[in-house]
Amino acid sequence: NAGVMQNPRHLVRRRGQEARLRCSPVKGHSHVYWYRQLPEEGLKFMVYLQKENIIDESGMPKERFSAEFPKEGPSILRIQQVVRGDSAAYFCASSPPLADRRFYNEQFFGPGTRLTVL
Amino acid sequence: AQKITQTQPGMFVQEKEAVTLDCTYDTSDQSYGLFWYKQPSSGEMIFLIYQGSYDEQNATEGRYSLNFQKARKSANLVISASQLGDSAMYFCAMRGTSGGGADGLTFGKGTHLIIQP
Repeated sequence: NAGVMQNPRHLVRRRGQEARLRCSPVKGHSHVYWYRQLPEEGLKFMVYLQKENIIDESGMPKERFSAEFPKEGPSILRIQQVVRGDSAAYFCASSPPLADRRFYNEQFFGPGTRLTVL
Repeated sequence: AQKITQTQPGMFVQEKEAVTLDCTYDTSDQSYGLFWYKQPSSGEMIFLIYQGSYDEQNATEGRYSLNFQKARKSANLVISASQLGDSAMYFCAMRGTSGGGADGLTFGKGTHLIIQP
């Protein structure tokens, strides 16, 4: 029973490069969330996706950030032209279908990807 | 918009003592959920306990219990008989329905708990 998998666990990019963060949800989970954790802060919601659909992206920066969750394959968080302020831990979480949840907002978190921008 | 406040940036506690981590919240929603997560130095987020706003009893999970006082909008985490392995960051969170997405969680800034032998 694999949990949420994220890769890479650590990613180093230079300013102006692109960062691609991948998230494979728990098998059978069709809901994916991305969060960002800045140093010494709590997690901040970024985006909520279901297969092939962005449901809520109210926490996503307007520029340079995008997310997708294709029909096949992992969810991808893409950051274009990274800047030093993008350095953070990025967490992915997944949820099972509503009928299978112990409680409404049950979410299983991955181990996170630590992005460092030089 | 939802807001979570954790007023204790750090706490030192002797091993085997009970610990209470404070959490207050603000929301205009009638139905909501409250969560506690543990984040050890390795960085992963570990779910500890959940309380629904309509649950009549305080949630318990092993050594963890949630002291839910709805009128005061507080959801304090109580750890009984603390252990060295409890040293970690602890985050209180709630389900957001505005400003945090329909299902996204709103987190507090966390409390750094250190258990001393």
